[in-house]
Amino acid sequence: DTEVTQTPKHLVMGMTNKKSLKCEQHMGHRAMYWYKQKAKKPPELMFVYSYEKLSINESVPSRFSPECPNSSLLNLHLHALQPEDSALYLCASSQGEGVIADTQYFGPGTRLTVL
Amino acid sequence: DAKTTQPPSMDCAEGRAANLPCNHSTISGNEYVYWYRQIHSQGPQYIIHGLKNNETNEMASLIITEDRKSSTLILPHATLRDTAVYYCIVRARYSNSGYALNFGKGTSLLVTP
Repeated sequence: DTEVTQTPKHLVMGMTNKKSLKCEQHMGHRAMYWYKQKAKKPPELMFVYSYEKLSINESVPSRFSPECPNSSLLNLHLHALQPEDSALYLCASSQGEGVIADTQYFGPGTRLTVL
Repeated sequence: DAKTTQPPSMDCAEGRAANLPCNHSTISGNEYVYWYRQIHSQGPQYIIHGLKNNETNEMASLIITEDRKSSTLILPHATLRDTAVYYCIVRARYSNSGYALNFGKGTSLLVTP
């Protein structure tokens, strides 16, 4: 089973709202990732968690706040977003550091629209 | 980080083999080549990866040249459901042993009836 689940599938929010995206995997993976994908562009890495600790933040604005409550769950908290933040947000997981050919598996994504 | 170059688009007739090329001339000796595909508005799907030897699984075959500067993904009998953007990726290292994926622009494959 290589399933990564993401909720919600779609989210529409105003610029003053606070919302959260959720990602879950039950493959025992110890690395989890957030990517952002704008229309007709490739995915871009935002954050990496390794063993529940943030190991990479790709200079993402503070209005995006990741959280890894446990090894199976990854959240992305959203606050005061801008319309240009509208995108497909993808979560991925992998076995993690120390694995030579570490393969990432992606969820279906959350389509976010900021009004 | 090694970069990859792929043709922006390709066509393939249904039932024929689709051969998708990728150049990665700056790849280093211990870097793997990964292939993913993304069907419209879905999450990327892992296809296959390799280091030096050719690889085959139930989805595709991966042929890597001896000098490792290029590779070809082969879908042996393309179907309409194989229409997608295909990404060839050489992973970007982020720690002593961890990797993130550095997506390029990919190849948009259209399989036609």
